[in-house]
Amino acid sequence: QVQLVESGGGVVQPGGSLRLSCAASGFTFSSYGMHWVRQAPGKGLEWVAFIRYDGSKKYDADSVKGRFTISRDNSKNTLYLQMNSLRAEDTAVYYCAKDGPGWYIDYWGQGALVTVSS
Amino acid sequence: QSALTQPRSVSGSPGQSVTISCTGTSSDVGGYNYVSWYQHHPGKAPKLMIYDVSKRPSGVPDRFSGSKSGNTASLTISGLQAEDEADYHCCSFAGSYTWVFGGGTKLTVL
Repeated sequence: QVQLVESGGGVVQPGGSLRLSCAASGFTFSSYGMHWVRQAPGKGLEWVAFIRYDGSKKYDADSVKGRFTISRDNSKNTLYLQMNSLRAEDTAVYYCAKDGPGWYIDYWGQGALVTVSS
Repeated sequence: QSALTQPRSVSGSPGQSVTISCTGTSSDVGGYNYVSWYQHHPGKAPKLMIYDVSKRPSGVPDRFSGSKSGNTASLTISGLQAEDEADYHCCSFAGSYTWVFGGGTKLTVL
């Protein structure tokens, strides 16, 4: 069964950096694109970034462009999100998610909480 | 990349049907037949319920159905059950490898 386990969340000061990791298992990681999606307190889900199966192309939301970088290591079945210049509005639960065989997400992790606060 | 519009909350009694709407634009919902819906119990991983507007993944009860008209997609849950109480989120492909979600709808089973 597909398992996605996020780690690396925590409390960071405004302007600081944090790197999230997502360990994937139960499927051929190197064959699928992967997403990061976040949910701020009391808000809906927000798509953050997508990386193609081989890491050749990356795409991200305007709200994080230039600050967040998605990457992957297919030899370690691991997805990453490097977050720099963090702001209070980046406070959210960050979900790692697997791309489906079409234009949708089919599996999600349980999320990692990131709190940006002084 | 504006969020899709969903009602904040809907409710229904056991056995009844409810419909949750998801309104976007011609650049997302109206432009592609790639709307998906997710059920989310707080503290758990979201679960895919509908993809490609109206397709159900294996294991999702046929009480859940999806449709689309113009820039608005809908999720209908018939024969409401207590365990259906959750947050529901719509999502649409928006072109150029970008996606947009709705604000989420809290379903209460009375």
